[in-house]
Amino acid sequence: DADVTQTPRNRITKTGKRIMLECSQTKGHDRMYWYRQDPGLGLRLIYYSFDVKDINKGEISDGYSVSRQAQAKFSLSLESAIPNQTALYFCATSDPSTGGNEKLFFGSGTQLSVL
Amino acid sequence: DAKTTQPPSMDCAEGRAANLPCNHSTISGNEYVYWYRQIHSQGPQYIIHGLKNNETNEMASLIITEDRKSSTLILPHATLRDTAVYYCIVREDNYGQNFVFGPGTRLSVLP
Repeated sequence: DADVTQTPRNRITKTGKRIMLECSQTKGHDRMYWYRQDPGLGLRLIYYSFDVKDINKGEISDGYSVSRQAQAKFSLSLESAIPNQTALYFCATSDPSTGGNEKLFFGSGTQLSVL
Repeated sequence: DAKTTQPPSMDCAEGRAANLPCNHSTISGNEYVYWYRQIHSQGPQYIIHGLKNNETNEMASLIITEDRKSSTLILPHATLRDTAVYYCIVREDNYGQNFVFGPGTRLSVLP
């Protein structure tokens, strides 16, 4: 079983719709992240959470919101989807207690298409 | 913004060593160099990281220059399955530092 699970894997929606992408993890990590990837580009950070009570905006948070329901769950919402939010979305986790050995662990991604 | 510069693409013959360069001329003393790779559209996968010393694991070797301004990821015997985008990231180990991904290097391993 995957340690970082994203649902759904693919989603097609229409402009103006509200949608939620979900991420759950069994790694026991405190830190969770949402990244977005556009074709041919690197990953850009949308939001991150260092623990259940901590939410921080990343590089490109406009048009998105998040909820950290529990240590294991971090969801990303698009309140009113627009076509330029069509992208591949990744959830990731990390464990800060490893200090200089902190690594990101990624889910398999959600391909979102906004028509 | 990413603190690293990588060539956009490279080719390597199957079975040969793949040497992927990364420039990080503004790296500070307590920033680590990390390498990740992304095969097709899968989630990026951790490869290796280091601070000052060269590092080796079952996947690759990381060579960091003495002045730490550049590094090279070495895949000793590249296979077709190593075709991927490789990301070099510098990151300080402290609260609030995130992993910033640039566009990376697209490595094509050719038969």
